[in-house]
Parts: sequence; C-alpha cells; structure tokens
Amino acid sequence: DQQVKQNSPSLSVQEGRISILNCDYTNSMFDYFLWYKKYPAEGPTFLISISSIKDKNEDGRFTVFLNKSAKHLSLHIVPSQPGDSAVYFCAASPESRDHTGNQFYFGTGTSLTVIP
Amino acid sequence: KAGVTQTPRYLIKTRGQQVTLSCSPISGHRSVSWYQQTPGQGLQFLFEYFSETQRNKGNFPGRFSGRQFSNSRSEMNVSTLELGDSALYLCASSRTYRDGGYEQYFGPGTRLTVT
Repeated sequence: DQQVKQNSPSLSVQEGRISILNCDYTNSMFDYFLWYKKYPAEGPTFLISISSIKDKNEDGRFTVFLNKSAKHLSLHIVPSQPGDSAVYFCAASPESRDHTGNQFYFGTGTSLTVIP
Repeated sequence: KAGVTQTPRYLIKTRGQQVTLSCSPISGHRSVSWYQQTPGQGLQFLFEYFSETQRNKGNFPGRFSGRQFSNSRSEMNVSTLELGDSALYLCASSRTYRDGGYEQYFGPGTRLTVT
C-alpha cells in the first residue's frame, strides 16, 4: 500500500514560470516531510524539509507547503530553470519529535521538464 | 564537506552468493539509512542505524542485514542472493539540529546485478 503518492508522473513547465509538484499521504502519523530531486544514475539530492509544526518553509527558489488537514504537501519552484529538470520525490516519516528514529516512505516521483 | 560515499559503485554477483556494501556518512551525521531502489517499487526503506543500533527496519527478509560502527560508517549485507535483489542500493546519512531542522543526504548508490 503506497502511503505517499505523487499522482502526476510528469510535468512540463516553461522556463521562468512556476513549477508546482504535489504529494499526498495517507498516514496521519507522518510528521516530517522532505523533497528530493534525482538525476539519472545519481542518488537523490536533498532539497528541502518541513515538519508538521509549520505550514511553509522556504529556501531560495524552493518553497514547500504543508496542509495537514488535507494530508497534502507541495513544492513550488520559482522561477523554474532548465537545470531543474529532474525527477522529484517527496518522502514522509512518522512522528518523531526527538527524531529517535526515521523511516521515510517515498512517493514514486514526478519527472519535471523545464522548457527553455 | 565531503558527501556520503558508497563502495563499491557497481557489483555483479551470482545467485546464492552474498554481498557486503559499505557506506561512509557525512562527518557529524550519526544516523545512516539504507534504501533499495528498483524501477517497479521505487525507493524502499531497508533499515536505519544510529549510534551502532538499528532503530528502524523495513519490510525485507532476514537475508538483508546491516551494522554500524563506532565511527558511524555502516555496512549492509545480503546473503543468498536472488535475481530480484538486483537494484540500486542507496545509503543516506542524516542529522537533526537543535532548532528542529533536519537534513538527509544520499550517497551515489551501489548498483548490484545478480545473474
């Protein structure tokens, strides 16, 4: 049973515009969320994280929004650049306030293509 | 600072053999997690180690095992290899900050092919 879902397998965006990647989860115990991007033949690269005590976290061009009531998070990339073209994964971990254990469940990924 | 390193990068084994993969985390990271990535299943959590103790374990058979050393380096072992074990094995190291921040970084992975 897929507890973290990325329902859009692919997304194409024009350079300079906003990219919005979505992620839904089913387990209400998930408390910590991360976004990664992955290039072919490489391991995932950590982008940004958010804990359930926040609803928004920004880091440069990347912003993650969390809607706990809807069990939904999204990653916004503004402005999108051709180098952002990659597969993006969201991941979620059950509540662990002191992070005594982290078991992350990954979505299946969304392939983003930024068109120059 | 240096990233997560994994050795070897590529490995070919035959069914029935056993294999050991190694991971060196980022300096200062005490948690090491292992994942299996396959085209059909995506990223699947294997186990996590912290201070030489396994804290979490995913839903994999007992043929998959791991350990962590006092310097936080970790190894995972797969015994009696099966064809279905062919995958990219990723190691990730992580740390938690006092302000609640968290970071996790993956290594480049070990590509295991079982023939």
